[in-house]
Amino acid sequence: AQKVTQAQTEISVVEKEDVTLDCVYETRDTTYYLFWYKQPPSGELVFLIRRNSFDEQNEISGRYSWNFQKSTSSFNFTITASQVVDSAVYFCALSEAGAIGANSKLTFGKGITLSVRP
Amino acid sequence: EPEVTQTPSHQVTQMGQEVILRCVPISNHLYFYWYRQILGQKVEFLVSFYNNEISEKSEIFDDQFSVERPDGSNFTLKIRSTKLEDSAMYFCASTASGVLVGELFFGEGSRLTVL
Repeated sequence: AQKVTQAQTEISVVEKEDVTLDCVYETRDTTYYLFWYKQPPSGELVFLIRRNSFDEQNEISGRYSWNFQKSTSSFNFTITASQVVDSAVYFCALSEAGAIGANSKLTFGKGITLSVRP
Repeated sequence: EPEVTQTPSHQVTQMGQEVILRCVPISNHLYFYWYRQILGQKVEFLVSFYNNEISEKSEIFDDQFSVERPDGSNFTLKIRSTKLEDSAMYFCASTASGVLVGELFFGEGSRLTVL
């Protein structure tokens, strides 16, 4: 069975600090996909990134960066120079490959509530 | 920008009542989903729907739940006889054929409160 663990539940930082959100996953699949979603106070879920299990190259997008370590089954997310608008709940998720077409059953972690204070 | 829309945003109902949550997926999308999030907990997969039939469902999605695409635009989740533990935020999502797996477009959610 697939499992996603986000051990941190709440993180509070001061604006401009860097913050790393941890994600550890379990799966028996050799091919799988990992994701991060953001849930701002308005409630919707916003897709941030998708990574497949064959691509361990780290990715940077503006102030966001992701570190995928297959050896430790981790997919951590770092926000550099955090801003108040980054305050949200962040979910890590896992999906098996081999899904038919675009059929996507995601297994989510419990989420990390990030509060960025001015 | 196209978006998934859900109605109602919040519904309060009595235990045992039937509830229908409505979703309008993005127009050219073919795969539809319902997820739920009990307050303060993780988001859980309920069901996926493609080509007018359920393609996968979770253990949560028991006989009290059903989904339907009654016309070319709406995608509904019906709970026949609500229980207290059905209180949650319900998210509809959709994605298109050819879109990368997992890159779902979620609606803003419908909060269901069962009293």
